[in-house]
Amino acid sequence: ETVLTQSPATLSLSPGERATLSCRASQSISDYLAWYQQKPGQPPRLLIYAASNRATGIPARFSGSGSGTDFTLTISSLEPEDFAVYYCQQRSNWPPYTFGQGTNLEIK
Amino acid sequence: QLQLQESGPGLVKPSETLSLTCTVSGGSIRNRSYFWVWVRQRPGKGLEWIGSIYYSGGTNYKPALKSRVTISVDTSNNQFSLRLTSVTAADTAVYYCASLGLYDRSGFSQNSFDSWGQGTLVTVSS
Repeated sequence: ETVLTQSPATLSLSPGERATLSCRASQSISDYLAWYQQKPGQPPRLLIYAASNRATGIPARFSGSGSGTDFTLTISSLEPEDFAVYYCQQRSNWPPYTFGQGTNLEIK
Repeated sequence: QLQLQESGPGLVKPSETLSLTCTVSGGSIRNRSYFWVWVRQRPGKGLEWIGSIYYSGGTNYKPALKSRVTISVDTSNNQFSLRLTSVTAADTAVYYCASLGLYDRSGFSQNSFDSWGQGTLVTVSS
């Protein structure tokens, strides 16, 4: 099973700042990585697929990069609605599809 | 845009069977560009993929749950279902149904969970 490790567990930033979230895979997954945003009481929302492609309706301030084992989600300038939990997910070596444990992006 | 809605009991007794149904609207469950999946989230924890089904009935399950899980599809009602047997307190979670879209609007490979139900909390307790 491919394990995804996200860092940091918690990231405290202010609106307007740049956020950089990391996801590391235990083995190469090419670019088969997605990112999701989850707010309390809501289902996850797809942000990025195939490592760097924004999903429909996702603002341009969200970008993804990486391949192999190291991936990054960048939010260029944080808006108040961006504070949430972010998960990465791989589909390279499945079953099972696996998720990272999440990064909690909180307001500083 | 697909809409998905989970339904089923919110309380299940230990050792019994958890059964949930997901109703898909805004598109056909026979659409060959989608798999249909169940994901759960234990209280305060992360996301866990349970299994997937294709409209033709082909399934894949998380190995650790495989002996207890069955996912089925009902194309006539545009629904798919989850059965989890011999539940324990560890199965208490919010259960989500979702679509796994194979392609984006440009036909590029997507393979991500692109539409989700709101989730339903299932508590295992006597």
